[in-house]
Amino acid sequence: DSGVTQTPKHLITATGQRVTLRCSPRSGDLSVYWYQQSLDQGLQFLIQYYNGEERAKGNILERFSAQQFPDLHSELNLSSLELGDSALYFCASSGGGLGEQFFGPGTRLTVL
Amino acid sequence: AQRVTQPEKLLSVFKGAPVELKCNYSYSGSPELFWYVQYSRQRLQLLLRHISRESIKGFTADLNKGETSFHLKKPFAQEEDSAMYYCALTDSNYQLIWGAGTKLIIKP
Repeated sequence: DSGVTQTPKHLITATGQRVTLRCSPRSGDLSVYWYQQSLDQGLQFLIQYYNGEERAKGNILERFSAQQFPDLHSELNLSSLELGDSALYFCASSGGGLGEQFFGPGTRLTVL
Repeated sequence: AQRVTQPEKLLSVFKGAPVELKCNYSYSGSPELFWYVQYSRQRLQLLLRHISRESIKGFTADLNKGETSFHLKKPFAQEEDSAMYYCALTDSNYQLIWGAGTKLIIKP
């Protein structure tokens, strides 16, 4: 599958814990975006990386961080988790231009 | 400020009725506008973009610069159109600015 992949699909953890979500972009895409989708907030842009460098920041909490590695995959780290962090986390990638982003299937995070 | 507004969080119409999902934008320049759709249990995907002037799954969207709108329309709704729809625009840095989304429910 040459599309955007995300692991794990589901994650259940407790408050105060730390988790790492992983994303592999489409082959050739240099940009990776992270989004949070919750029932009451819609789609919230968190952060973008381009070829290993942070390009743009959205509504990302200080407890959250991300990075993009030389092979272009990206990880989103969520720490000191709270109940309100329960959401679907999407990764998207693009090759730049025309604004089209290709989304992964998402990771559903449940914080108990 | 650049902004995309989707005034309806939820829109419910009967099968066979016309559908219009509203999108208004605020942008200083010539925007590129998109509609993304997320069907139940599926990933978000591009539905259409204004520069293509295409009709996808019976949906069309016309950019109205005077009214700064990019409403999504379909003359006859089908049950499989039930989904979450997001309007977005690209700024000069190719960043997507997203609307809050409209949940479309097609009643049988």
